[in-house]
Amino acid sequence: NFMLTQPHSVSESPGKTVTISCTRSSGSIASNYVQWYQQRPGSAPTTVIYEDNQRPSGVPDRFSGSIDSSSNSASLTISGLKTEDEADYYCQSYDSSYWVFGGGTKLTVL
Amino acid sequence: QVQLVQSGAEVKKPGASVKVSCKASGYTFTGYYMHWVRQAPGQGLEWMGWINPNSGGTNYAQKFQGRVTMTRDTSISTAYMELSRLRSDDTAVYYCARVRWWGQGTLVTVSS
Repeated sequence: NFMLTQPHSVSESPGKTVTISCTRSSGSIASNYVQWYQQRPGSAPTTVIYEDNQRPSGVPDRFSGSIDSSSNSASLTISGLKTEDEADYYCQSYDSSYWVFGGGTKLTVL
Repeated sequence: QVQLVQSGAEVKKPGASVKVSCKASGYTFTGYYMHWVRQAPGQGLEWMGWINPNSGGTNYAQKFQGRVTMTRDTSISTAYMELSRLRSDDTAVYYCARVRWWGQGTLVTVSS
């Protein structure tokens, strides 16, 4: 079993770039795909990145995902921040066939 | 277009059971595992388990084993999650989800 650790919160100004990390506690981050979900208040999660770095249709290319084996972590980068990006973001990966979620990161755009 | 449409909000008493449905459309229902995830008020996402709609096979998180049952009806492309012996801390929004797509969520409130 492993855990995914995210920062509790991040904040940045409109137009800037922010990166949210997701660190895997054991096992290689590269051994299972990582997904990223955006959840606005009162709404269901939506997928912004799947399979480490793939963007679903309709998700702006301001959103990008990557993995770094040296830090055993995945990252979600949002460039050209907009106020509408303010939300909770969750990373998710797999442990065998189980889904494992990070604790979530609250992004404030101020 | 993929859609997962869940049943409406429920209010249950402690000790009762709840059954939430999730109707899939826009894709081959038997082609993707259906997962169930819950979110307590103000908390993060918690994975509960999955069902293979093709075989009916299931895999539950240890925390819910013995209380959760996931089933499906392939004739109407619908998955179900039943949680029994409800407690107040089961109050949460319950989501069905498959790769890349989520249902809209179902609020289950457990209160005497």
